[in-house]
Amino acid sequence: QSVLTQPPSVSGAPGQGVTISCIGNNSNIGAGYDVHWYQQLPGIAPKLLIYDNDNRPSGVPDRFSGSKSGTSASLAITGLQAEDEADYYCQSYDNSLSAPYVFGTGTKVTV
Amino acid sequence: QVQLVESGGGVVQPGRSLRLSCAASGFTFSDYALHWVRQAPGKGLEWVAIISYDGSKKYYADSVKGRFTISRDNSKNTLFLQMSSLRAEDTAVYYCAREGSTYYYGSGSFFPYWGQGALVTVSS
Repeated sequence: QSVLTQPPSVSGAPGQGVTISCIGNNSNIGAGYDVHWYQQLPGIAPKLLIYDNDNRPSGVPDRFSGSKSGTSASLAITGLQAEDEADYYCQSYDNSLSAPYVFGTGTKVTV
Repeated sequence: QVQLVESGGGVVQPGRSLRLSCAASGFTFSDYALHWVRQAPGKGLEWVAIISYDGSKKYYADSVKGRFTISRDNSKNTLFLQMSSLRAEDTAVYYCAREGSTYYYGSGSFFPYWGQGALVTVSS
């Protein structure tokens, strides 16, 4: 059971936008730790999409953006494309757990 | 470019052992901490273990502590995960992942590079 909660699924039509939430608590996101986001296409290793809350690695389209506030974070995808259909995971650090590197429950995006 | 290639996966009986390897290239291996992350079939991602850039520090998830050992050979640019007393619940794809910054691991850790994964199936 992850300490970072995401909606199981979100969907949108091509060209539309969606937002994925990542809800934590005061031991992780609320403690000020950064949030990172990964995209996982079926059968493929995860790919870093956003790091340190709102930074995109080179090569990631600016259709993807991240934000953080309080005990939660969000990933926004604008101008949905068919290739965005994937699973998305948030990740952060939790100072109350012996396994401090925590991932969210994951969200399936359907286009 | 950075490459991480896992090997050593397979089918193993409960209680037996298996060793995974992760061969790295495209970066200065000895400068980075490395992680193992696993994903059970149809499930989410679970962090398993971390080893510091010089191998002096190692940390484990409670679910594998005492059964799994992470190690590295900086002369061969290779990361290892020795898994013993395997259980059915250890069945997963195991990914090696590189830390984001040199000489660092900690509260700001994230994983910019991943291997393709190695499937471990624990079954009688």
